[in-house]
Order: sequence, then structure tokens, then C-alpha cells
Amino acid sequence: DQQVKQNSPSLSVQEGRISILNCDYTNSMFDYFLWYKKYPAEGPTFLISISSIKDKNEDGRFTVFLNKSAKHLSLHIVPSQPGDSAVYFCAASARGGSGNTGKLIFGQGTTLQVKP
Amino acid sequence: ETGVTQSPTHLIKTRGQQVTLRCSSQSGHNTVSWYQQALGQGPQFIFQYYREEENGRGNFPPRFSGLQFPNYSSELNVNALELDDSALYLCASSSRGDLAKNIQYFGAGTRLSVL
Repeated sequence: DQQVKQNSPSLSVQEGRISILNCDYTNSMFDYFLWYKKYPAEGPTFLISISSIKDKNEDGRFTVFLNKSAKHLSLHIVPSQPGDSAVYFCAASARGGSGNTGKLIFGQGTTLQVKP
Repeated sequence: ETGVTQSPTHLIKTRGQQVTLRCSSQSGHNTVSWYQQALGQGPQFIFQYYREEENGRGNFPPRFSGLQFPNYSSELNVNALELDDSALYLCASSSRGDLAKNIQYFGAGTRLSVL
């Protein structure tokens, strides 16, 4: 049962343009969503997050949008740079009885290629 | 400040053997989580340790076990290896403050191949 889905395995954009990565989830108990970036031979690196009480969070070139009614979130990168080329994972977490469980549910990942 | 380090980086075992993977947490972090990432998939939560106690477990059989030591380093042990255990094993550490924001810091992983 895939609770977090990234339906696009890959995305290619031109340098300077916008990259939009999408993620869908099924569990309405998720209350925190994160994006991680992974370069080859490195571990995933935290990029940006959003709480379920918000619908937008922005950090520099990165903005995450959350649509709770559609159970959908997206990551926008503007402008895209060749160094952004990596695998992007969407992840979700649900609060447990004693606070955050630290259990992250990941999507399958989307490979972003930004062409110079 | 050193990040999360894992050893070994690569490992080859045969079916039925046992394996131990090691993780050193980032300085100041007292919580460690382990994930399994199969090829083409996202990481899957195995379990988490906080102050040497298991603090949550994913859908993995009991032959996956772990330890956390007083210095907050950790081990993942897998008994009776199966071919499907071939994967990248990721360790992630966090402080309680990070965990409150769901932020975990990952190591580069150990690539396990079971033949």
C-alpha cells in the first residue's frame, strides 16, 4: 500500500525555467510533509517542509504547496539550476500519541535533470 | 561537526548469513532511525532508537534488529539473509528538536548485496 506516491519518475527542464515536482498521498493522518534531495553516493538531504496547517512554505528558490483537500503537494524550484539535478523524494509523517514519531513515509522519488 | 557516517559502504553476503551494519550519529543527536531503500524505490522505515530503546518499528520481520549505544551510535543486524534484503540501508540521526520538525539527517548508506 503506497501511501505516498510520486507518479513521475523523471523530469527534465531547461536552466532558468521552473521545475515542478508532484506528490500525492492517501493517509489523512499525515500532518507534516517534507522534501529531500539525493545526489548519487550521498544520503538524502532535507530541503524544505510544510505543516498540514499551512498551504505554502517558501525558502529561497524552493516553494512547497500543500492542497489538503486533494491530498497533493508540489515542490517548485525557480529558477532551476544545473546543480539542482538530483533525485527528489517527497516524505510524510503522522503525529503519534507522544508527539512526532520520526517515522517518515517516502515516495518513490523523481529524478530531476536541469539542462544548461 | 561531523555528519552521519555509516560503515561499511558496500557489503556482499550470501543467503542465510547474518550481517551487522554500523552508524555513527551526528554530534549532539540522540535519536537514530534506519531505512531500507530498494532499487528504484524510496526509503522504507525499519525502526528508530531513542536513548538506547526501540521507539517505533516499521513493517519488517523480527530478523531485523538493532541496538543503540550510550554514545548514540547504532547497529542494524539482519539474520537469515534473503535475496530481497539486497538494498541500500540508510541511517538517519536527529536531535529531539529536529524530530519535532520531522527533520532527519542521513548518512550515505551501506549497499548490501545478497547472493
